[in-house]
Amino acid sequence: QVQLQQSGPGLVKPSQTLSLTCVISGDSVSSNSAAWNWIRQSPSRGLEWLGRTYYRSKWYFDYAVSVKSRITINADTSKNQFSLQLNSVTPEDTAVYYCVRAPELNWFDPWGQGSLVTVSS
Amino acid sequence: DIVMTQSPDSLAVSLGERATINCKSSQTVLYSSNNKEYLAWYQQKPGQPPKLIIYWASTRESGVPDRFSGSGSGTHFTLTISSLQAEDVAVYYCQQYYTTPYTFGQGTKLEIK
Repeated sequence: QVQLQQSGPGLVKPSQTLSLTCVISGDSVSSNSAAWNWIRQSPSRGLEWLGRTYYRSKWYFDYAVSVKSRITINADTSKNQFSLQLNSVTPEDTAVYYCVRAPELNWFDPWGQGSLVTVSS
Repeated sequence: DIVMTQSPDSLAVSLGERATINCKSSQTVLYSSNNKEYLAWYQQKPGQPPKLIIYWASTRESGVPDRFSGSGSGTHFTLTISSLQAEDVAVYYCQQYYTTPYTFGQGTKLEIK
């Protein structure tokens, strides 16, 4: 049974960097049959896919155009985890952030517990 | 981007009655090479992450009650709850995984009448 445990600050100042980590149990971040995603949810934007990483003989990274200039997703095989960094945040980045597994680059399951991140001074 | 549009935005149904939620995609989510519809449905209860209930448009996730069913093809899809139970009160989302950026519908809030 795959489980994802998220961690990271709940409050970030405008213009700073949002950083979240997702620890994987029951699977491997370097699995050849999964992708590891970040999705956020806010009242104004709904559910928004931000990006993913996956390993198929080499690492791949895909990002949403809306955040492409500000986002980095990393995979750490030694800790079996992946992370999200979102730079130059504004109050519009306030949302609940989820780390999510996608089997075979398909649907999303399971989801992490969610992390409310508020961007405010 | 593929735009996913759900209807209605909210729905009130009596216990034991049928609930139907619609989802329309702005372009097809059918891959002709494998004849699969790249469409999933999720259920989200307050304070919880979304939970997968249907994938490939009509395949129920393991453990999901058989009162939940998905149907449709191409650009029009439907989630049906055949006999509404109290625990089905939630917001339901459709999502396409045909191509990135993966996109979700705006959600349909299902309540008890």
